[in-house]
Amino acid sequence: GENVEQHPSTLSVQEGDSAVIKCTYSDSASNYFPWYKQELGKGPQLIIDIRSNVGEKKDQRIAVTLNKTAKHFSLHITETQPEDSAVYFCAASILWDSGGYQKVTFGTGTKLQVIP
Amino acid sequence: KAGVTQTPRYLIKTRGQQVTLSCSPISGHRSVSWYQQTPGQGLQFLFEYFSETQRNKGNFPGRFSGRQFSNSRSEMNVSTLELGDSALYLCASSLGTSANTGELFFGEGSRLTVL
Repeated sequence: GENVEQHPSTLSVQEGDSAVIKCTYSDSASNYFPWYKQELGKGPQLIIDIRSNVGEKKDQRIAVTLNKTAKHFSLHITETQPEDSAVYFCAASILWDSGGYQKVTFGTGTKLQVIP
Repeated sequence: KAGVTQTPRYLIKTRGQQVTLSCSPISGHRSVSWYQQTPGQGLQFLFEYFSETQRNKGNFPGRFSGRQFSNSRSEMNVSTLELGDSALYLCASSLGTSANTGELFFGEGSRLTVL
């Protein structure tokens, strides 16, 4: 089955600096790679995702890159703000055209702390 | 639009008991999946239901079971509770059809403590 590894497990950055979180996956059939942000006491929320036919995607201060050959993908947050402090999870799955998906496998999470 | 609702939010049980957790998905979503979240293991997939049928299953023992009703609401049950079952149980819904973007919408979870 799919295995997703995520690094680092904790990350502290100064406000305004950039943060990078990296993940690797094992199943070359995986074609959908979302990133979720979980704030304290809440469920995870999707912040950005990327499909396997795209190498990079940006949404304001957040970007994700995917290297299919190396089977790794990364989350980049620029100009970090205190409200970016949370736990971030990467994930990998096979998303079918029918809308179904093979089970989503999550990384173990990165606790990001942005220091004001 | 109401989000995913999970009940109860907190519960305490003792070893050997059983527990039932409930999840109401976003209106119109037909897929409901369940995850176990623990500090050491992260988010572990339990199972996914679509149109009252289990479509995917994770690697959990048979003590963990679930079902989905015709209105897409779902329940999961854990029998013969063990201390290691203490966790946050998250439910997520998605469209589950060809219009699905892949995004999972999570509830706030049910925190189970087994004593």
